[in-house]
Amino acid sequence: GAGVSQTPSNKVTEKGKYVELRCDPISGHTALYWYRQSLGQGPEFLIYFQGTGAADDSGLPNDRFFAVRPEGSVSTLKIQRTERGDSAVYLCASSRGVSADTQYFGPGTRLTVL
Amino acid sequence: RKEVEQDPGPFNVPEGATVAFNCTYSNSASQSFFWYRQDCRKEPKLLMSVYSSGNEDGRFTAQLNRASQYISLLIRDSKLSDSATYLCVVTATSGTYKYIFGTGTRLKVLA
Repeated sequence: GAGVSQTPSNKVTEKGKYVELRCDPISGHTALYWYRQSLGQGPEFLIYFQGTGAADDSGLPNDRFFAVRPEGSVSTLKIQRTERGDSAVYLCASSRGVSADTQYFGPGTRLTVL
Repeated sequence: RKEVEQDPGPFNVPEGATVAFNCTYSNSASQSFFWYRQDCRKEPKLLMSVYSSGNEDGRFTAQLNRASQYISLLIRDSKLSDSATYLCVVTATSGTYKYIFGTGTRLKVLA
């Protein structure tokens, strides 16, 4: 079956611009996670959705970052007033949401802020 | 101190060698443990879950030592295709089951 998909695969933007990154989870998965991976590091947690609600947004670095999942499926990560330090690969993962179920990752969006 | 610590490597080993990676975690209440594999510029993919009783999948063996808060991965008879970064993962102790990753250990298997 189809895995987690993310669009765009690459995004280049200028400092100060607004960007949206999209994640389409595996069908039927209720849990959705966003992570950010910088070069040479492991992914770092940003936010977790169970259904439509953000159950844990403790990893969002500041109020320029926001994510939504209005219908409990597709999620959008929004970054306002981008900074060069936001450059990273943004990974989305989904799981069935039952206990500590395996998370399946999408291919990521590589964001470059010039 | 990081919550999950790994030696970043790189580990350069010849084909056929046995190689072991270690990982330590700081929160004794952590509940679930995994090894993920990540190829260059690709997403992480589950390699195996890790249990106290140990588990084996072909050439790969994973072990958890809760008392020492230590996780290991052993790869026997290394293949060129095993070259990748191996990420140690611990789930958070809160109800979100978010993953906490180590920095990853780079492995390069040489012909």
